[in-house]
Amino acid sequence: SQQGEEDPQALSIQEGENATMNCSYKTSINNLQWYRQNSGRGLVHLILIRSNEREKHSGRLRVTLDTSKKSSSLLITASRAADTASYFCAPNQGGKLIFGQGTELSVKP
Amino acid sequence: EAGVVQSPRYKIIEKKQPVAFWCNPISGHNTLYWYRQNLGQGPELLIRYENEEAVDDSQLPKDRFSAERLKGVDSTLKIQPAELGDSAVYLCASSPGQGVLSGANVLTFGAGSRLTVL
Repeated sequence: SQQGEEDPQALSIQEGENATMNCSYKTSINNLQWYRQNSGRGLVHLILIRSNEREKHSGRLRVTLDTSKKSSSLLITASRAADTASYFCAPNQGGKLIFGQGTELSVKP
Repeated sequence: EAGVVQSPRYKIIEKKQPVAFWCNPISGHNTLYWYRQNLGQGPELLIRYENEEAVDDSQLPKDRFSAERLKGVDSTLKIQPAELGDSAVYLCASSPGQGVLSGANVLTFGAGSRLTVL
């Protein structure tokens, strides 16, 4: 079973637009992490938000967490063609990270 | 600093043959993970080690898969015999484990080993 489920499964936008991806999970967590994967590569950690935090920023990334709804969102502002990749959320339950199917983001120049 | 190193990067075998993957985690990382990723899917956890102890292997198909982490550093994942459905990318990741960022478990992934079973 998958702990994190992303929505939408695919997203296509123009360069300069914002991209929002959502994640839902099922159980209590220590933190929630977002990762990025370029085609044919391993995953790269983007940002972590702790269970007692509601919002976190890192450069053009903004993550929110609503533990009452068991959901999180990742916002990428002013997207670039280089942001084209798959994005995965990973709820962390006691050191166990379970990834969802991911959101495939395509940013067109 | 070298990242997580995996080998081989690609492996093509016929079904029923054995195959092994090797992972060298980041120096000092106590926690090591093996994930399997099918095309278009997210990584699926196979096994998690804390030092040399397998603390979570509930998703490892134990009839054909085995793993070990000798001395709490390098790890190998073996499949014997391989089946067609085992074709996937096998990802190794490591994290510091408990420490300054206690409970953070931020993972660093290797590039993966792509297995094709014919």
